[in-house]
Amino acid sequence: KAGVTQTPRYLIKTRGQQVTLSCSPISGHRSVSWYQQTPGQGLQFLFEYFSETQRNKGNFPGRFSGRQFSNSRSEMNVSTLELGDSALYLCASSPGTLGGEETQYFGPGTRLLVL
Amino acid sequence: AQKITQTQPGMFVQEKEAVTLDCTYDTSDPSYGLFWYKQPSSGEMIFLIYQGSYDQQNATEGRYSLNFQKARKSANLVISASQLGDSAMYFCAMRGTNTGGFKTIFGAGTRLFVKA
Repeated sequence: KAGVTQTPRYLIKTRGQQVTLSCSPISGHRSVSWYQQTPGQGLQFLFEYFSETQRNKGNFPGRFSGRQFSNSRSEMNVSTLELGDSALYLCASSPGTLGGEETQYFGPGTRLLVL
Repeated sequence: AQKITQTQPGMFVQEKEAVTLDCTYDTSDPSYGLFWYKQPSSGEMIFLIYQGSYDQQNATEGRYSLNFQKARKSANLVISASQLGDSAMYFCAMRGTNTGGFKTIFGAGTRLFVKA
C-alpha cells in the first residue's frame, strides 16, 4: 500500500506570494490533517478534512486555508506569505472514523522557505 | 486543555542499551489515544506505537514498548537494544476530542543520540 505523498517537497517563495501544497492520503483513508512544524513553535495542528468537509481547525490566521477533493486528496493554501510561515508542513492521513483511537500516518513533508 | 510534556530535550544512550523517553499528558477526555513518532533528519514522521486510554496492557511493537501509567498520566517510550539508526527526534502525541472534533497534539520532542 502506498504511503502518504506530498508535493512539492521543497519550495522557496517571497513575502506576499501565495503557495499551494498538495497531499495524497493512503488509499481508503478519508481524513487528512495538516500540521506546521517550526523550531520555535514545534508541531502545530492546522486543520483536518474528512469527506471534503473541514472537521476541525487550529489557531491559525485566515491566510491558511485548505480543501479536500472527492478522492480524499487535499490541498493547503497560504496567502500573503510572511517570513514566519517558513516551516515544514506535514500532512497526515487516517481512516477518519475511529476518533481518538486512530493512528495518523504522515507524509514526508513540504519544506517552505519564505524570503 | 490538552497538553503533552516531554521534559528531556536531549538524551544519550550507548548502542545496545535500553533507553526510556518520558512523556506526561493532561486531558479531561474520558477516551483518548497516545502515540509515539520518530522523526529522522529527513523530516518524515514515522509512527512507532499506539496506546489506547482503555487498554489494560502496555503496548509493544518490536523493540518499542509504551509504559502506560494512567493514574500518573504518563506514557513513556522504552526502546530496547538501541541501534545507531535510532538517533532521531521522538515525539509523544495524544489524540482526543476538541470541541466536537478530534485533533492530535504533540510534545516538544526528545532528541535521542545513540553512541557507538
